[in-house]
Amino acid sequence: SAVISQKPSRDICQRGTSLTIQCQVDSQVTMMFWYRQQPGQSLTLIATANQGSEATYESGFVIDKFPISRPNLTFSTLTVSNMSPEDSSIYLCSVESLGGNSYEQYFGPGTRLTVT
Amino acid sequence: DAKTTQPTSMDCAEGRAANLPCNHSTISGNEYVYWYRQIHSQGPQYIIHGLKNNETNEMASLIITEDRKSSTLILPHATLRDTAVYYCIVRVHTSYDKVIFGPGTSLSVIP
Repeated sequence: SAVISQKPSRDICQRGTSLTIQCQVDSQVTMMFWYRQQPGQSLTLIATANQGSEATYESGFVIDKFPISRPNLTFSTLTVSNMSPEDSSIYLCSVESLGGNSYEQYFGPGTRLTVT
Repeated sequence: DAKTTQPTSMDCAEGRAANLPCNHSTISGNEYVYWYRQIHSQGPQYIIHGLKNNETNEMASLIITEDRKSSTLILPHATLRDTAVYYCIVRVHTSYDKVIFGPGTSLSVIP
């Protein structure tokens, strides 16, 4: 299993500002994922972050708005840039753990962002 | 789009078995069925997965139909702490298969 921590756990930000969310894993992992969960909705994949390469973004998400860093195998950051109220969501970091016949994903506790 | 369909919500009496269905009629031969759940204000949690055989672990049982077009997650003795959104996902076993979450089933366990 993998234990994931995120900072901050929650924040209230003004529109037009940016917030960087940190994700720390207690073991080395190849694949890290960032999801967004808007109020009352399911999880939406933002991007996949591989160490040593550019992140791969899903349709509807762009690097200028959600720049991602992946400096090593245990850490990643997601920045929400030039925020608007529509960015108010929970942002979740996830990693994939390979073990035997299983591709389990583990999720962090999330960062609850409110943009005013 | 998600490759699965699930009922929006279900109720279950505490202590009874909760049976959560999932349809995945377009599943490919190399895709596994995974179940996760998300308790309010927490990140999703892995429950169980299977390919074609029924599976059981300490949390739940997974029953997959012979044609693999549907499955059922069974919580044998539901407790109030099992109240959560349950997600059924299909994926192949490679690191490059994106895990796409559908809307899931909101299970309410009632005292």
